[in-house]
Amino acid sequence: DAEITQSPRHKITETGRQVTLACHQTWNHNNMFWYRQDLGHGLRLIHYSYGVQDTNKGEVSDGYSVSRSNTEDLPLTLESAASSQTSVYFCASSENKDTEAFFGQGTRLTVV
Amino acid sequence: QKEVEQNSGPLSVPEGAIASLNCTYSDRGSQSFFWYRQYSGKSPELIMSIYSNGDKEDGRFTAQLNKASQYVSLLIRDSQPSDSATYLCAVRATFLAGSARQLTFGSGTQLTVLP
Repeated sequence: DAEITQSPRHKITETGRQVTLACHQTWNHNNMFWYRQDLGHGLRLIHYSYGVQDTNKGEVSDGYSVSRSNTEDLPLTLESAASSQTSVYFCASSENKDTEAFFGQGTRLTVV
Repeated sequence: QKEVEQNSGPLSVPEGAIASLNCTYSDRGSQSFFWYRQYSGKSPELIMSIYSNGDKEDGRFTAQLNKASQYVSLLIRDSQPSDSATYLCAVRATFLAGSARQLTFGSGTQLTVLP
């Protein structure tokens, strides 16, 4: 079955370190997204991509970057991790720009 | 700033009752509406999508959309303890560009169905 997977599921890192969270989908969806989820804020969009070599900033993009070298993967990089980036991160994909998004299992990141 | 508002709850209903979850949105350009269910520690999963005014039924779930009043609701009939979760409302402004077109989520309503 087609799916979307994230790794790692849990990560603890130190302030200032670079961290990369992986997202891989097998639906062949062109559209991929990264969200963070925090208590009181719901899901907030970090970055999104409409296809290979396309990346765009979302609502809370500062301190994050993404790259899209193929259809299946959209890794999220925290350039210099900060405690404010402690959160649960969800990757999602959708078949087209107007339809629903399907989510990966999430990555819980703790920055100490 | 587009906003999607939900009553955070918690909302408690007895088993077998109807649970009613409400969502209002501020952007009149919103065209697509979704309800997701999220169990504690899990990822959001899609329950319903609705694009036109009126009701849409799928099993025990009914989504209701009123674009003039800018609200969308989710009814869960014959509620079961397994329905206990956080329900997220999401809207998309289909005809805008860039990040304004992306899904905007409410903070979610926590539902508890009591046995």
